Amino acid sequence: DTAVSQTPKYLVTQMGNDKSIKCEQNLGHDTMYWYKQDSKKFLKIMFSYNNKELIINETVPNRFSPKSPDKAHLNLHINSLELGDSAVYFCASSPSQLGYGYTFGSGTRLTVV
Amino acid sequence: AQSVTQLDSQVPVFEEAPVELRCNYSSSVSVYLFWYVQYPNQGLQLLLKYLSGSTLVKGINGFEAEFNKSQTSFHLRKPSVHISDTAEYFCAVTNNNAGNMLTFGGGTRLMVKP
Repeated sequence: DTAVSQTPKYLVTQMGNDKSIKCEQNLGHDTMYWYKQDSKKFLKIMFSYNNKELIINETVPNRFSPKSPDKAHLNLHINSLELGDSAVYFCASSPSQLGYGYTFGSGTRLTVV
Repeated sequence: AQSVTQLDSQVPVFEEAPVELRCNYSSSVSVYLFWYVQYPNQGLQLLLKYLSGSTLVKGINGFEAEFNKSQTSFHLRKPSVHISDTAEYFCAVTNNNAGNMLTFGGGTRLMVKP
């Protein structure tokens, strides 16, 4: 069973479109995250939710909106997609306690054309 | 604030040779340190972590890392690499004030050559 699953794995779309990426974890973790990995492999935190509450909201354009319907799901909706949004987006989860590290999903490769 | 620097963006090495991937961190408080591996087109997988106690930490796939507080380093080592170790390696740090948020280094691409 996949612990952290993201869909879709690949997403190719035109500029200006709106798209969503879904993430689900079956580990019983309290905290979920979205990270963006750019073309140089640099990983940057975007959002973090703990038990459905937003706890980290880094400097991200407000075209990006996370939604957590329950603590097992964290979706990412992106409005008015731009070329610069092309990247790999990773979902991850962790227990609330420090030191456990994260479990990552396999990523969603978003290409905006 | 916390930060991580991985000093080498690429490390080429021949198969069966030893390797060290360097990581230095900055934090004003005690840290928890991690190494992750990312194989092509996959997510990140935890290799090992340092929380406290023994400064030499052993992980999966024969990797180990040593925490050095005075040098603020957490270098990753393997005595003999395989072709299958070719991947991107990330060092990450968090602390009690960071809300469990991991800050990642820029990654080191390990390229194992036959």
